[in-house]
Order: sequence, then C-alpha cells, then structure tokens
Amino acid sequence: AQTVTQSQPEMSVQEAETVTLSCTYDTSENNYYLFWYKQPPSRQMILVIRQEAYKQQNATENRFSVNFQKAAKSFSLKISDSQLGDTAMYFCAIEWDDKIIFGKGTRLHILP
Amino acid sequence: NAGVTQTPKFQVLKTGQSMTLQCAQDMNHNSMYWYRQDPGMGLRLIYYSASEGTTDKGEVPNGYNVSRLNKREFSLRLESAAPSQTSVYFCASSAGGPWNTEAFFGQGTRLTVV
Repeated sequence: AQTVTQSQPEMSVQEAETVTLSCTYDTSENNYYLFWYKQPPSRQMILVIRQEAYKQQNATENRFSVNFQKAAKSFSLKISDSQLGDTAMYFCAIEWDDKIIFGKGTRLHILP
Repeated sequence: NAGVTQTPKFQVLKTGQSMTLQCAQDMNHNSMYWYRQDPGMGLRLIYYSASEGTTDKGEVPNGYNVSRLNKREFSLRLESAAPSQTSVYFCASSAGGPWNTEAFFGQGTRLTVV
C-alpha cells in the first residue's frame, strides 16, 4: 500500500528565513503525482505545488520549491523568505490511479 | 465559481443516528473523494469515485457508505453514528484520469457525535 510520511509534526522559523519540510513516500507505482497542500486556520485546503514523477526537473512556484529525489522517494518542500501568511498546516500527498493519499502534516509557525 | 460545495458545515448527532453529507462540484471533474481529518492523523481517505457509477474503498471505509449520484454529486452516509466518527469531513474532486490535476476541496463539515 502507498504511504506518505511527514516526520516533522511541528516547526517554527523566523520571518524571512528559509525552511524545509520533509516528506517521504512509498509506492510501487511508476506513474504518480506528488503535491504539497497548505491548510491555514480557515481550514481551506490550498495547493502549493505539484510534481509529476516522470519529470526530473524540480517544480518551483515563486517562493516555494521542491527537492524531488525519485530513487530515494523523497519530496521535500522549501519555503524561501518565509512570511507570516505561510503559517499553516502543510500536507504532502501522492496521487496515482485516481486515488490521493495524504501524510499526517507538518504544522508550520512563522514567527515575527 | 462555486467549485466544491459541501453541506452541512456543522452537525451534531446522537450516537446511533444516521445522516448524509452532501457534496457537489461544478468543474465537470471525473474523480471525487471523501476524507476525514483528525488531529495528528492528517487527511484519511474514506471512499473515492473515479467516475460516475463507480466507488472504491479508501483507507478508513468502515462505518460509512457512499453514493455517486451523478457526475456532479457524491454523498457520504453514516448509518449509525458513533463517537469515533467525530471529525472534520472534506469532500474533494479532481479531473482524474490522464490529466492528474490537483484536488479541489470543499470547506469541510465539522461533525460531532455525542
């Protein structure tokens, strides 16, 4: 069965610093997609970034980038120049064959 | 643009009561999902539907049933609610198939079973 592991339940960083959230996954599939979602206190789930497993190039969206290591089954999220609005729960997820499985999440606090 | 709409937003049930959570999407998506979110457990997949007329069990299907009424609607039913089903429930949809776009989520339903 596919699993997603986020080993950091909670993290805190100062505003403007860079922070990396870890995610590892286990799958026997060859074709799959990886996502990072953000859930602020409003409870709304917001897509941060996505990565197609067949692409070697790491995805980037403004201040957000990933380090995708397919052989190691690792998919970490780097947030540069962190902002107070980045405070949220962050979930890593894997999608394959119309199914999406999430990790348990990392609660990120950005401190002023 | 409504996206994914869930009803109700809040609900309190007594143990043993039944209820149906409704979900509708207006993005012509093929795939729909139901998740529950509990503290420290992330989002766990209850059931999903890859297309109209099909449903499959996810990670935690016990105690739940689903219906994919048509392409737009995917309901979740609790036949006999238990306190362990107290949770926040999310419905989501995605294009599915070869498009593999991200999932779009509803606002969630906070369910308390007493």
